[in-house]
Amino acid sequence: ETGVTQSPTHLIKTRGQQVTLRCSSQSGHNTVSWYQQALGQGPQFIFQYYREEENGRGNFPPRFSGLQFPNYSSELNVNALELDDSALYLCASSLDRDSVSPLHFGNGTRLTVT
Amino acid sequence: GQSLEQPSEVTAVEGAIVQINCTYQTSGFYGLSWYQQHDGGAPTFLSYNALDGLEETGRFSSFLSRSDSYGYLLLQELQMKDSASYFCAPSSYNTDKLIFGTGTRLQVFP
Repeated sequence: ETGVTQSPTHLIKTRGQQVTLRCSSQSGHNTVSWYQQALGQGPQFIFQYYREEENGRGNFPPRFSGLQFPNYSSELNVNALELDDSALYLCASSLDRDSVSPLHFGNGTRLTVT
Repeated sequence: GQSLEQPSEVTAVEGAIVQINCTYQTSGFYGLSWYQQHDGGAPTFLSYNALDGLEETGRFSSFLSRSDSYGYLLLQELQMKDSASYFCAPSSYNTDKLIFGTGTRLQVFP
């Protein structure tokens, strides 16, 4: 059973640029959730994708967007990067879209915006 | 709406028992999850309580009281490797998405 993998592991971008982060879900999981975690804080929910459709969104601006592909892998895109976007971005897959299904997290992408 | 409260930090010594409390105000509440995250690592699922009472999994147990909007994670026979952040996360019919608080940082000393 392959776990959740994220790429890249680290990324440095400058303000105003755009970034795409990638996530491969665990085998058998059809749901992917993305979280942003600032240093010393808990993960903040960005959005969730279920069977290629967005299924819920947190309090993040539209410049945060995503996709889920037929193989249930996913991308997170962030446009017009701001300094405050510097954080660890975590992807988590689950068996189903409800919040009872345990989330299986990847190791994250550490994004630094300068 | 939702609010969540956990102590920011707890310290204990190896071999001891520690309890990490979590109080929540979550409309449409139906369950409480716990996750562990080591520094630089990914959060990992520990437990889920839907019913009142204690759920035991090895050295870790989790408790829920729905009437008190309260739960706790109990860690027994503490080991150095238990040093990590612990997050409680309520489930809600309203959002049906797992929302995490700021977590409790546990430091275990020899």
